[in-house]
Amino acid sequence: RKEVEQDPGPFNVPEGATVAFNCTYSNSASQSFFWYRQDCRKEPKLLMSVYSSGNEDGRFTAQLNRASQYISLLIRDSKLSDSATYLCVVETGRRALTFGSGTRLQVQP
Amino acid sequence: EPEVTQTPSHQVTQMGQEVILRCVPISNHLYFYWYRQILGQKVEFLVSFYNNEISEKSEIFDDQFSVERPDGSNFTLKIRSTKLEDSAMYFCASRVSNQPQHFGDGTRLSIL
Repeated sequence: RKEVEQDPGPFNVPEGATVAFNCTYSNSASQSFFWYRQDCRKEPKLLMSVYSSGNEDGRFTAQLNRASQYISLLIRDSKLSDSATYLCVVETGRRALTFGSGTRLQVQP
Repeated sequence: EPEVTQTPSHQVTQMGQEVILRCVPISNHLYFYWYRQILGQKVEFLVSFYNNEISEKSEIFDDQFSVERPDGSNFTLKIRSTKLEDSAMYFCASRVSNQPQHFGDGTRLSIL
């Protein structure tokens, strides 16, 4: 089983749509969780940390379910500039990050 | 906003040659990392470094790889004898304790 598993997509959505990404992780000892975004051939950039209580940052909402080892990201009112690959990232006690393969989002006009 | 900077942005090297990739982490950060991303694949952890020593390394980080913090600001990754399969983007990252990692914009390494 992959350590961090994501649907690769691509998700093709119109501007203004709501889109949800899901992710599962295999290591129950994982302690910290993040969503990063990566534009083509660029570095990963932190989008948001994910907390058990759920957290929101503008149009972005992240949820964590530790019992199911499941993480989600919801993007509301999609913009063209949201087009990117979204990386589900998990940190274990050793503090190295384990990345999923990413879900590609293409927002269309 | 402070940034992690990496040089060079692109390195082309003949197979078998040594290569050194350079990183300047954010100045008050204490933990340093190297990751790589082969084209079309996911980002993979190589090594973490804290308090002037390696704290963790992956199976990828074999004897051909080494890291160093020679002068208190630079953090380098050396590949001793490069192979074709070392071609990838190499990302440096740094963090303060209990905060997310921040990534540099990467060095694209091409082995010919």
